[in-house]
Amino acid sequence: AQSVTQPDIHITVSEGASLELRCNYSYGATPYLFWYVQSPGQGLQLLLKYFSGDTLVQGIKGFEAEFKRSQSSFNLRKPSVHWSDAAEYFCSWGGGTASKLTFGTGTRLQVTL
Amino acid sequence: DGGITQSPKYLFRKEGQNVTLSCEQNLNHDAMYWYRQDPGQGLRLIYYSQIVNDFQKGDIAEGYSVSREKKESFPLTVTSAQKNPTAFYLCASSIGGQVNTEAFFGQGTRLTVV
Repeated sequence: AQSVTQPDIHITVSEGASLELRCNYSYGATPYLFWYVQSPGQGLQLLLKYFSGDTLVQGIKGFEAEFKRSQSSFNLRKPSVHWSDAAEYFCSWGGGTASKLTFGTGTRLQVTL
Repeated sequence: DGGITQSPKYLFRKEGQNVTLSCEQNLNHDAMYWYRQDPGQGLRLIYYSQIVNDFQKGDIAEGYSVSREKKESFPLTVTSAQKNPTAFYLCASSIGGQVNTEAFFGQGTRLTVV
């Protein structure tokens, strides 16, 4: 089945350390890929998106993601994490004839001071 | 300011009761969506609508109903047939129903069965 997988349920990093959140997709063609962030008890906010072209995309809040077709991945990265980045992060995808986005199960990021 | 408004933020329901969650948007978006969020399960699609007076079932539509009489409104009714309704519900909208467009989310409604 076409889907996205976020292998890490929970990640803890120290403030100032680098961050990489993993996302793998299962789809034959190039999908539309997104990363969203959710603060506790809130809705989701778009961080960045990939449709085509340059495989390294920049987003808000200093985040970036790289599309790697060979690995079916779209990992989210940040060079230096801030305590305010603590939240839940969702990868999502769309493609083909789908008229809806499908979301991964999320990765909860904890930042230690 | 443009956005999506969900109300109420917290809702308590007695077993056997129907409750309706409100979702209003002033973004002039054609498409609207309802998701259910449970810990560790991500977001699961309940219903979506790509145009006024039309909607489709998502992955977990049983026990829920919707209407789309106005472009800006997409209320969700949780019926007594929904056996486990306690969850966080998110409404979203997008410019069109295509998957290459960004979804904008409301702040959510937390429903608890008491």
